Amino acid sequence: SYELTQPPSVSVSPGQTASITCSGDNLGDKYACWYQQKPGQSPVLVIYQDDKRPSGIPERFSGSNSGNTATLTISGAQTMDEADYFCQAWDSSTAVFGTGTKVTVL
Amino acid sequence: QVQLQESGPGLVKPSETLSLTCSVSGGSVSSPTYYWSWIRQPPGKKLEYFGYIYYSGTTNYNPSLRSRVTISIDTSTNQFSLKLYSVTAADTAIYFCARTTASGYYFDLWGQGALVTVSS
Repeated sequence: SYELTQPPSVSVSPGQTASITCSGDNLGDKYACWYQQKPGQSPVLVIYQDDKRPSGIPERFSGSNSGNTATLTISGAQTMDEADYFCQAWDSSTAVFGTGTKVTVL
Repeated sequence: QVQLQESGPGLVKPSETLSLTCSVSGGSVSSPTYYWSWIRQPPGKKLEYFGYIYYSGTTNYNPSLRSRVTISIDTSTNQFSLKLYSVTAADTAIYFCARTTASGYYFDLWGQGALVTVSS
């Protein structure tokens, strides 16, 4: 089955840039999206179709997808961005989620 | 503003059937723009997709779970449901219902989640 792999954790200082990677075979041939999940809450879509931001998502969130890797970038990270982040793509008509990355802002 | 709300038993015995319902408010499950999905998250683990249903009744299931899952829809009550058969402790998780766009296949709206524990 298809797998998406993320680093378990990423740390960033406030105001700096955090990059979270998501790796999968030929992921660049698929659309990738990203979700933010804070403790005790449901996931929130922050990036869809590789690089599009839903209404209400701050511009500091951006995405890219090429080759085997999709990347979520948080430019000018804020303490409110501290959360788990999951990537997601479709393979053979099945939604597949990444292993998740805990982003710490300190 | 569309909202999704899961409901159902929080405790299910092993070998029994887990049943959850998602109530949609502020919008209609009969909209041709969306599919309606179920996803779960075991404690401390990643999200797992069950499948989706369209207002017409068309379904799509995760092959790894297909043999144990049924997703149904009731347009008269604006709800859709999940049944998971022959549950074990490994099925303990937070279960989310979510809205999926028919054009882009991303989950743009989620319910708050329902914790279901499988235990005797």
